[in-house]
Amino acid sequence: GENVEQHPSTLSVQEGDSAVIKCTYSDSASNYFPWYKQELGKRPQLIIDIRSNVGEKKDQRIAVTLNKTAKHFSLHITETQPEDSAVYFCAASRASGTYKYIFGTGTRLKVLA
Amino acid sequence: DTAVSQTPKYLVTQMGNDKSIKCEQNLGHDTMYWYKQDSKKFLKIMFSYNNKELIINETVPNRFSPKSPDKAHLNLHINSLELGDSAVYFCASSSDTEAFFGQGTRLTVV
Repeated sequence: GENVEQHPSTLSVQEGDSAVIKCTYSDSASNYFPWYKQELGKRPQLIIDIRSNVGEKKDQRIAVTLNKTAKHFSLHITETQPEDSAVYFCAASRASGTYKYIFGTGTRLKVLA
Repeated sequence: DTAVSQTPKYLVTQMGNDKSIKCEQNLGHDTMYWYKQDSKKFLKIMFSYNNKELIINETVPNRFSPKSPDKAHLNLHINSLELGDSAVYFCASSSDTEAFFGQGTRLTVV
């Protein structure tokens, strides 16, 4: 069945350093890849997304890269700040007729001041 | 204005009881979902509805019964609650791409 693997499960970085979270998906028909941030006790919220016709997308300190051939996509956060501390989820879906988002297992990011 | 709202936010109940969680979205989306987030924070899809029609039922016990009276509402009824049902349940909706989540319902079965 469809599966999304996410690594690492926990990640600690010093403030100002970069953080990278990687995901691999199994459904080759997936063409939409969102990243969600979930702060403690809050709902998951979209921070960036990428479609399969694009290899990279950047929004200020956050960037996502996609390798469709290898079925890999990654989240890059530069100049990390304490408020970046949260659980991050990747997901994969088929954008048209999106009836299912398959989420990765989550990465708990801690930014140490 | 809250885009996706679910009630209640907290629910504590005894084993064997029946309970319901309600969800409403004001975004005009056609698709709504229920996700379960366990203590390890895994987000697992339970159900997906499109225009009031059940599209996905991910091997959820039949004690869980979703109902969509209209495309803005998706409720979840749970019969004969078990300890393992304790989790945070998230409702979500989407139109094309981004899924918007409700604030979650923390269900504790004692």
